[in-house]
Amino acid sequence: DIQMTQSPSSVSLSVGDTVTITCRASQDVRESLTWFQQEPGKVPRSLIYDASSLQSGVPSRFSGSGSGTYFTLTISGLQPEDFATYYCQHYDSHPFTFGGGTKVEIK
Amino acid sequence: EVQLVESGGGLVQPGGSLRLSCAVSGFTFSDHYMDWVRQAPGKGLEWVGRSRNKPHSYSTEYGTSVRGRFTISRDVSKNFLYLQMNSLKTEDTAVYYCVRGKNGFDVWGQGTMVTVSS
Repeated sequence: DIQMTQSPSSVSLSVGDTVTITCRASQDVRESLTWFQQEPGKVPRSLIYDASSLQSGVPSRFSGSGSGTYFTLTISGLQPEDFATYYCQHYDSHPFTFGGGTKVEIK
Repeated sequence: EVQLVESGGGLVQPGGSLRLSCAVSGFTFSDHYMDWVRQAPGKGLEWVGRSRNKPHSYSTEYGTSVRGRFTISRDVSKNFLYLQMNSLKTEDTAVYYCVRGKNGFDVWGQGTMVTVSS
């Protein structure tokens, strides 16, 4: 199985800050990478697919980049509703696997 | 409006079976890949399996930890996706989500809780 490693596992930031979360794959997954946001007690929400395409309705302060084995999710200008846990997942080959998550907390 | 509504969760003993259902509405069910994803209490997300669309004969794939025990199927006439879970283990305890596999995984149901315990 392909291992997905996210970093950092958690980060404390303030409203208005910019954060970049990284996701590394143990093998080439091309651009078959998606990012999710999950607030406590809520259903995961899709943000980015195909590594850099913004899901419909997602604010433009979210952006994704990368290909192969290295990917990033950047949130430019954190808003109060952005404090949540973020997951990456590849869908290049079965079985699909998720990263362990990055918790973005309010400082 | 696209909607996915799961049901069928509950408490089951180790070694038992359970079938989850996902009622689909708002889109052409047969055109889309569908997935199941789970989340154990306080843990991260785990992909359970996939049902491909009609052109791909609704063929299925499974995650490593459930392969051979879980089966995904569809009733296209009723717009339902199913997850048959057999030989359940305590580590299968989780919220199970039904997910549409379009543009990655664009729409999620609200989830149904499965607890495997004696």
